[in-house]
Amino acid sequence: DTAVSQTPKYLVTQMGNDKSIKCEQNLGHDTMYWYKQDSKKFLKIMFSYNNKELIINETVPNRFSPKSPDKAHLNLHINSLELGDSAVYFCASSQDTAGGSYEQYFGPGTRLTVT
Amino acid sequence: LAKTTQPISMDSYEGQEVNITCSHNNIATNDYITWYQQFPSQGPRFIIQGYKTKVTNEVASLFIPADRKSSTLSLPRVSLSDTAVYYCLVGAVSSGSARQLTFGSGTQLTVLP
Repeated sequence: DTAVSQTPKYLVTQMGNDKSIKCEQNLGHDTMYWYKQDSKKFLKIMFSYNNKELIINETVPNRFSPKSPDKAHLNLHINSLELGDSAVYFCASSQDTAGGSYEQYFGPGTRLTVT
Repeated sequence: LAKTTQPISMDSYEGQEVNITCSHNNIATNDYITWYQQFPSQGPRFIIQGYKTKVTNEVASLFIPADRKSSTLSLPRVSLSDTAVYYCLVGAVSSGSARQLTFGSGTQLTVLP
């Protein structure tokens, strides 16, 4: 059983288009995340939701909009795609403790290529 | 916001112990230190997490000095399959609270036969 799944795995699209990436976790976790990994392999957090509520919103263009319809899903919608958006996007989830410790489970990634 | 620094790459031979250090000088009081392993075309995989002193599990040990400004991941007796990128992550997440999660730049470990 896949713990954290993302669709699609590959996404090739043209500049200016709007696209969505979906993420689902079946672990019963409270918190979900979106990360961006660029060509130099830097992993940068973009958003985090806890029980459908946004708790981390890093400095990303407002063309990126996360949507959490329920605790098990966190989708990423991107408007007006640009060449610089090409990267691998990872979804993750964690079950958090009151003390702040966490263990994140990552999805397989979505490789987005903007042409 | 805790900034993390790791060596870009390391080489080792099979059967050796490997130690990878991460510097995080401005770690916050509530921050945890977590290490992840990533293989090509896969998502990062949790290895170990700690707050202070030493933590050990079945695959690795994590050493954190008293000032918590650095941490060292120790992999005993590495094998070829341990060739991967290793990331340290500093931060904390609590329900309803915003926390900053900062990944290091990653260390490419290459295990040679």
